[in-house]
Amino acid sequence: DSGVTQTPKHLITATGQRVTLRCSPRSGDLSVYWYQQSLDQGLQFLIQYYNGEERAKGNILERFSAQQFPDLHSELNLSSLELGDSALYFCASSVVGSPTYEQYFGPGTRLTVT
Amino acid sequence: ILNVEQSPQSLHVQEGDSTNFTCSFPSSNFYALHWYRWETAKSPEALFVMTLNGDEKKKGRISATLNTKEGYSYLYIKGSQPEDSATYLCAFHMTPIYNQGGKLIFGQGTELSVKP
Repeated sequence: DSGVTQTPKHLITATGQRVTLRCSPRSGDLSVYWYQQSLDQGLQFLIQYYNGEERAKGNILERFSAQQFPDLHSELNLSSLELGDSALYFCASSVVGSPTYEQYFGPGTRLTVT
Repeated sequence: ILNVEQSPQSLHVQEGDSTNFTCSFPSSNFYALHWYRWETAKSPEALFVMTLNGDEKKKGRISATLNTKEGYSYLYIKGSQPEDSATYLCAFHMTPIYNQGGKLIFGQGTELSVKP
């Protein structure tokens, strides 16, 4: 158990809908990363937050947004969902925002869009 | 286009064999390289974070080396055991630009299967 929690574990929704995925980092970690793993692609970096501020952006679609709250938990919002958004979404946390520190991954949220 | 390549894609070895695989990454704008171990139905687990050219890190039977000038890292497993069966992923972190964090690019992984 990495200490990173994600809810929900599974989510099934229809095209066009909007969902929110939640992540609580390890105690003391200030930085949160979001990743997407779909069947046809490897692990893709979406976005990073550090202490409430956006730090880095990867391949995140405009329909997706994220934020990190004062208590350091983070939410990833996915809207106007398409079939291709079906994937496993991981969040990871690290002590600080620097890439020189280890990241600890949560168990993931599996999103199925029908 | 930035690319991180891992080879081989998969590897089948017998228990007790030693094995190694490669992660190739861009040699410019290097900031850090991460290795992860990813078992089926679990989440990636951090193995090493490597930052300096010539770095060598070790954790039990697993070790890794880093060459940032030529853009590659090797992961070695000595005396493979069935419990080492997993996908091994590397992730290349680019140098942060201005005050923005650097981009992070994963390889496709090497799937290791160790037969008893």
